[in-house]
Amino acid sequence: LAKTTQPISMDSYEGQEVNITCSHNNIATNDYITWYQQFPSQGPRFIIQGYKTKVTNEVASLFIPADRKSSTLSLPRVSLSDTAVYYCLVGYYNQGGKLIFGQGTELSVKP
Amino acid sequence: NAGVTQTPKFQVLKTGQSMTLQCAQDMNHNSMYWYRQDPGMGLRLIYYSASEGTTDKGEVPNGYNVSRLNKREFSLRLESAAPSQTSVYFCASSEVGADVTDTQYFGPGTRLTVL
Repeated sequence: LAKTTQPISMDSYEGQEVNITCSHNNIATNDYITWYQQFPSQGPRFIIQGYKTKVTNEVASLFIPADRKSSTLSLPRVSLSDTAVYYCLVGYYNQGGKLIFGQGTELSVKP
Repeated sequence: NAGVTQTPKFQVLKTGQSMTLQCAQDMNHNSMYWYRQDPGMGLRLIYYSASEGTTDKGEVPNGYNVSRLNKREFSLRLESAAPSQTSVYFCASSEVGADVTDTQYFGPGTRLTVL
């Protein structure tokens, strides 16, 4: 059964690197992994997307091991404004084409 | 360029009432989506439309109907609202098609309460 799993919550301090892992055991060969950020009372916002190995943009990095059964979102040097919920999204196209979000990881950054 | 807009922002219904949630996008995107978000459940796909004139069921379609009115607009209808449909509803759109994991752009959400 298609399932995307993330930790429910994480705590960090300003200036630290934060790594959030998503498990997606049944990801299909052609599927991408996408991460979104959501602030209270807003819709989710795209952060980064990748297919394999490593992807980096101006806000985050995404690490995907060779077996692609998990992925890790890395936020360098977080600030208070990074406090939000982070969602992993995977398409399970070998299971009816369903797009499945993880439950979301609530990141709390403290001063 | 407003992106994805949703109306209304808030709605309270009584059990058995019907209503339609409206969504529009001005980015000329092909695909549109409806999600519901519940505490501890994340975002769950209700229905999506890969292109104008097509709609498909997502993970939790029961109790809902959708209409892709044209390329810009995708509405979600609750025919007979139930308390279990109390949730925050998000509409999203993406450029290409729903057969790839394309970047989705989300609206601000509609907070629906069914009494």
